[in-house]
Amino acid sequence: AQTVTQSQPEMSVQEAETVTLSCTYDTSESDYYLFWYKQPPSRQMILVIRQEAYKQQNATENRFSVNFQKAAKSFSLKISDSQLGDAAMYFCAFYPSGANSKLTFGKGITLSVRP
Amino acid sequence: GAVVSQHPSRVICKSGTSVKIECRSLDFQATTMFWYRQFPKQSLMLMATSNEGSKATYEQGVEKDKFLINHASLTLSTLTVTSAHPEDSSFYICSATPLAGVKYEQYFGPGTRLTVT
Repeated sequence: AQTVTQSQPEMSVQEAETVTLSCTYDTSESDYYLFWYKQPPSRQMILVIRQEAYKQQNATENRFSVNFQKAAKSFSLKISDSQLGDAAMYFCAFYPSGANSKLTFGKGITLSVRP
Repeated sequence: GAVVSQHPSRVICKSGTSVKIECRSLDFQATTMFWYRQFPKQSLMLMATSNEGSKATYEQGVEKDKFLINHASLTLSTLTVTSAHPEDSSFYICSATPLAGVKYEQYFGPGTRLTVT
């Protein structure tokens, strides 16, 4: 079974600054995918970024980038130039490559952005 | 593209009644649909996985007789909460994996807020 740990329940960042959200996971799988999802107050789940475990290069999507450390089983999300619209709950999620796979979510972190 | 809708967006029902929530993939066919439950400020908890034409697979601890899932077509799955009680009040989210696409893709619906009085 997989576990995903987000140990920080809340974080705050000043607008235009950079913030890093932490995530660790535990698995015996060798092939898997990792995700960060954003859930704003509307509660619509939005995919922020995806990382394939077989790729060494860290994924980047505009202001969002990850630091994927496979050996350490760590997958942090960096948000650069934070904007007010980034305020949301962020979930780290794990998806193994095998059959009948399902997403395992971390507990989430609430990010607030100070103007 | 890849839009998933849920209906209703919010529903209030009396204790003891049943309520049905629909999940539709609007512009794609979904091989698999997932149903999640989310309490305020908490994570998504997977309730069940459904594939078109077959019985849903329920997660441990989820009562299959209480949460009936039907996946009658490649674009529609329904969750029926039977004999609802106040403790069933929650936010229910569905997601769908496209038939034509990679299996790790999941597109989420906007959720349904259920309040049982």
